[in-house]
Amino acid sequence: QSALTQPASVSGSPGQSITISCTGTSSDVGGYDYVSWYQQHPGEAPKLILYDVNNRPSGVSNRFSGSKSGNTASLTISGLQAEDEADYYCSSYTNASPLFGGGTKLTVL
Amino acid sequence: QVQLQQWGAGLLKPSETLSLTCAVSGGSFGTDFWSWIRQAPGKGLEWIGDINHRGTSNYNPSLQSRVTISVDTSKNQFSLKVTSLTAADTAIYYCAREPSLYGYYVFDSWGQGTLVTVSS
Repeated sequence: QSALTQPASVSGSPGQSITISCTGTSSDVGGYDYVSWYQQHPGEAPKLILYDVNNRPSGVSNRFSGSKSGNTASLTISGLQAEDEADYYCSSYTNASPLFGGGTKLTVL
Repeated sequence: QVQLQQWGAGLLKPSETLSLTCAVSGGSFGTDFWSWIRQAPGKGLEWIGDINHRGTSNYNPSLQSRVTISVDTSKNQFSLKVTSLTAADTAIYYCAREPSLYGYYVFDSWGQGTLVTVSS
């Protein structure tokens, strides 16, 4: 199984919105509504920010939202803040094991 | 609130066996699945496998031949062993919870991570 494909980096200014894509196949992203997203600050463990495509765990800001079309899932962060600067990883269910993306570094300019 | 505390040896030689343990506090040990996930330096995340309190385990097919995950329900702990280590196994290893409340393979609580370096 190959990792899901994410852009290596994205950037945006405070207050703007950015979108991070996560592309897989019909065997993972396209086949199930079980995509989750994680935020990881340097030196820390990942933090769950979205699950089942567009569900937020308790305590996660509503500035984070998700969507899916075909084999590509997307994470949108609106009202960008300095604290959003981090690495972001998508993950998808497959019938063998969960698959992660390679990660996207978000820089807040 | 569930907390995961993990420990184990951090420096190992090629061909040796990695052994890590994760202790769970704050409830839910008997209802959820418990995973091990690793992250090579500067790289993405890789799921290793999981287990529940009954000992039902699942493994990443790419690692299955070298991995064993076990559980000790009397201590609310689960453990990871990886045999025949090579430099490619150098990574931060995390334990994590898969809550039954969410969908498949959602990891909502994580241990602090253990850096395991494989070097002669």
